[in-house]
Amino acid sequence: AQSVTQLGSHVSVSEGALVLLRCNYSSSVPPYLFWYVQYPNQGLQLLLKYTTGATLVKGINGFEAEFKKSETSFHLTKPSAHMSDAAEYFCAVSELGGSYIPTFGRGTSLIVHP
Amino acid sequence: NAGVTQTPKFRILKIGQSMTLQCTQDMNHNYMYWYRQDPGMGLKLIYYSVGAGITDKGEVPNGYNVSRSTTEDFPLRLELAAPSQTSVYFCASRPEGGTDTQYFGPGTRLTVL
Repeated sequence: AQSVTQLGSHVSVSEGALVLLRCNYSSSVPPYLFWYVQYPNQGLQLLLKYTTGATLVKGINGFEAEFKKSETSFHLTKPSAHMSDAAEYFCAVSELGGSYIPTFGRGTSLIVHP
Repeated sequence: NAGVTQTPKFRILKIGQSMTLQCTQDMNHNYMYWYRQDPGMGLKLIYYSVGAGITDKGEVPNGYNVSRSTTEDFPLRLELAAPSQTSVYFCASRPEGGTDTQYFGPGTRLTVL
């Protein structure tokens, strides 16, 4: 069975500061990992994903995430926050081997202060 | 491509009323999903479909029904609306399972009074 835990329902940063959103997963088989972003009153859209290969993946808007198998983590980072990054972020996991139902975390709301 | 479209965007229902939330995708995706999103609870899967004519229950199917007569359409039916169904509903589609990205519609905000 697969599961996702996002640490912190809210993360607050100042504009220009480092963004770190935490995601830990549980999976009995090699996972596929995703980060989605949801802007106010919109649907979710993909930021980045890890399937195989390079463990550091780069996404849109300057975000990146590193898959660490030993820590079962897939934390999302951005070196310098921008006001437009304020949104809800969701981590999700799918499993290799035919699971067609991704499991989503509860989401982390990123607040960016001027 | 329009992607995934949902109608209506907003709806207010009275307790006991019925309605259908429409979802259409024009990307020829096999997999489609219905989620509900409640504050602080993330996304809960209601129903999903792996192709036309095939549907299955998700985590929270009670009070809902679906059908999938075509690849493009995946409507969600609420038969007897209850206040507990007040939520934001998202439809999503995906080419195949595993590594593929889900594409989400803009959502339907439903209030049951």
